[in-house]
Amino acid sequence: DIVMTQSPLSLPVTLGQSASISCRSSQSLLHSNGNTYLHWFHQRPGQSPRRLIYEVSTRDSGVPDRFSGSGSGTDFTLMISRVEAEDVGVYYCIQGSRRPPTFGPGTKVEIK
Amino acid sequence: VQLVESGGGLVQPGGSLRLSCAASDFTLENYWMTWVRRAPGKGLEWVANIGKDGRDKYYVDSVKGRFTISRDNAKNSLYLQMDSLRAEDTAVYYCVRDPDFHAFDAWGQGTMVTVSS
Repeated sequence: DIVMTQSPLSLPVTLGQSASISCRSSQSLLHSNGNTYLHWFHQRPGQSPRRLIYEVSTRDSGVPDRFSGSGSGTDFTLMISRVEAEDVGVYYCIQGSRRPPTFGPGTKVEIK
Repeated sequence: VQLVESGGGLVQPGGSLRLSCAASDFTLENYWMTWVRRAPGKGLEWVANIGKDGRDKYYVDSVKGRFTISRDNAKNSLYLQMDSLRAEDTAVYYCVRDPDFHAFDAWGQGTMVTVSS
């Protein structure tokens, strides 16, 4: 199985500042069809997870453009610019390129 | 899109539970469906998924032989039969729509399963 790691696991941020979360996979996530199936989710306290970004960098409808995804192969990044209070919670990456799908351990974002 | 889980609760180790997920506002038969769980204090874990017609099924190793995923497209419903439950199965279980390559684009509110004596 592909192992996903994230860093940091805890991320205190100041409102209005930027935040960056790294996600790494134990194997390349480049699928034989040429696409890379690395997705990002956000789970606020007491809520269900919500998808933010799919296939590395495509933002979901309604997701602010403060959120951006990048990367390739085994190294990926979620960037949050101008952090707002509603951004708190846990962020997860997941790889869907190979079965079974595997999540990263999560990065907890909190406001300083 | 709406996904509503039910069937969670408190069960003793070794017991069984059947989770249900009612889907609405989309055509269930057009999608793979998945169960994901989150244990207390831990992260998300993919549990099982099922193909559009119910023939293809996959499970995380820790539940193989104990859990069975199924669906009834005519009833717009997804199920998870959980047998031989263990304390480590304690978690919130989410019903999730999978449009392709595990890009889970819709989640239910979750149902809590507690395995304890």
